[in-house]
Amino acid sequence: GDSVTQMEGPVTLSEEAFLTINCTYTATGYPSLFWYVQYPGEGLQLLLKATKADDKGSNKGFEATYRKETTSFHLEKGSVQVSDSAVYFCARFGNEKLTFGTGTRLTIIP
Amino acid sequence: NAGVTQTPKFRVLKTGQSMTLLCAQDMNHEYMYWYRQDPGMGLRLIHYSVGEGTTAKGEVPDGYNVSRLKKQNFLLGLESAAPSQTSVYFCASSSADRGRYSYEQYFGPGTRLTVT
Repeated sequence: GDSVTQMEGPVTLSEEAFLTINCTYTATGYPSLFWYVQYPGEGLQLLLKATKADDKGSNKGFEATYRKETTSFHLEKGSVQVSDSAVYFCARFGNEKLTFGTGTRLTIIP
Repeated sequence: NAGVTQTPKFRVLKTGQSMTLLCAQDMNHEYMYWYRQDPGMGLRLIHYSVGEGTTAKGEVPDGYNVSRLKKQNFLLGLESAAPSQTSVYFCASSSADRGRYSYEQYFGPGTRLTVT
């Protein structure tokens, strides 16, 4: 079935460090891919998306590229801030449903 | 626009009690979803609806029922609560215009339910 596998956390980085959170997905059909972010005590918010191969989604300094050949959608940011501390979810949309990874908790220390 | 709202925000139930969680959206979205979030398991789809008067089972539907009598509301019911249903519940909605909105879902703030 449809699935998403993402890097297990927690991840702790110093401010201004480079961030990568890995995500791979099952390649059945032509899924759309998403990264959602969940700040403490809140619901999920869409961070970025890509709808076809080689598309790059970007928002708030975060980027992810839809790689069909490696079935990956890794999240990257060049210089993280304390305010980026949150849980990040990779997701794929197919068969009318959004399938989530298990989430990666990111903590940025000053 | 309030977006997606959920009531209540917190609830404690005893085993065997029943309750209904209400989700409301003001974006005129056709699709609505109920998820549960448990530690280490991400979000799992309980039930969803593709339009007023229609519902369908998701990944973990057992022990839950839903109704979509109005387009803007999606109710999740627990008829006889069990400790295994302790979780955080999220409602989401999305447009049916797939081409323009690319399946993006908008989430409510969540309901934290504890069953003792």
